[in-house]
Amino acid sequence: DIQMTQSPSFLSASVGDRVTINCKASQNINRYLNWYQQKLGEAPKLLIYNANSLQTGIPSRFSGSGSGTDFTLTISSLQPEDVATYFCLQHNSWPYTFGAGTKLELK
Amino acid sequence: EVQLVESGGGLVQPGRSLKLSCAASGFTFSDYNMAWVRQAPTKGLEWVASISYGGSNTHYGDSVKGRFTISRDNAKSTLYLQMDSLRSEDTATYYCARDLYYDGTYYPFAYWGQGTLVTVSS
Repeated sequence: DIQMTQSPSFLSASVGDRVTINCKASQNINRYLNWYQQKLGEAPKLLIYNANSLQTGIPSRFSGSGSGTDFTLTISSLQPEDVATYFCLQHNSWPYTFGAGTKLELK
Repeated sequence: EVQLVESGGGLVQPGRSLKLSCAASGFTFSDYNMAWVRQAPTKGLEWVASISYGGSNTHYGDSVKGRFTISRDNAKSTLYLQMDSLRSEDTATYYCARDLYYDGTYYPFAYWGQGTLVTVSS
């Protein structure tokens, strides 16, 4: 199985900060990487697919990059509504696997 | 608007069975692959099972293989998860999810339902 190592586990940042979250795959997953945002008590929401494609309706301050084994989710200017837990997902091969999550809070 | 509404969760004893349903609307159900993803209380996300748009191909996570069965009724726009031999570690919120189809490729778990809670306890 492909392991997804997500870092950091917790992140505290201020409004307006640039925030980066990383996911490292245990083997090459090409660009089969999605990013999700999950707010407390809600279902996850797709932010980024194909490593760098922005899902419809998602603000442009969110962006994704990477290929192969190393991927990054960037929030260019943190907003209060971005407080959430963020997950990556690899869908290069079965079983699909998620990262453990990054909990983002406001400083 | 894509809508996915799960139902069928509840409290069940270990070793017993439960069947979840996911009613879909707002899109042509038979055009999309579907899946179940679960989340144990205060834990991360775990993919459970996926089924192709026609229903002929299925895949399962190792933790549920041989115990859970994913199926779909395209005429009713409904996805199912039959869960047998339930264990305490199956306690979780179960979400159904739909793929995104773009430029010839399916990208999984693009749309999610609100989830249904399954609690396995005596």
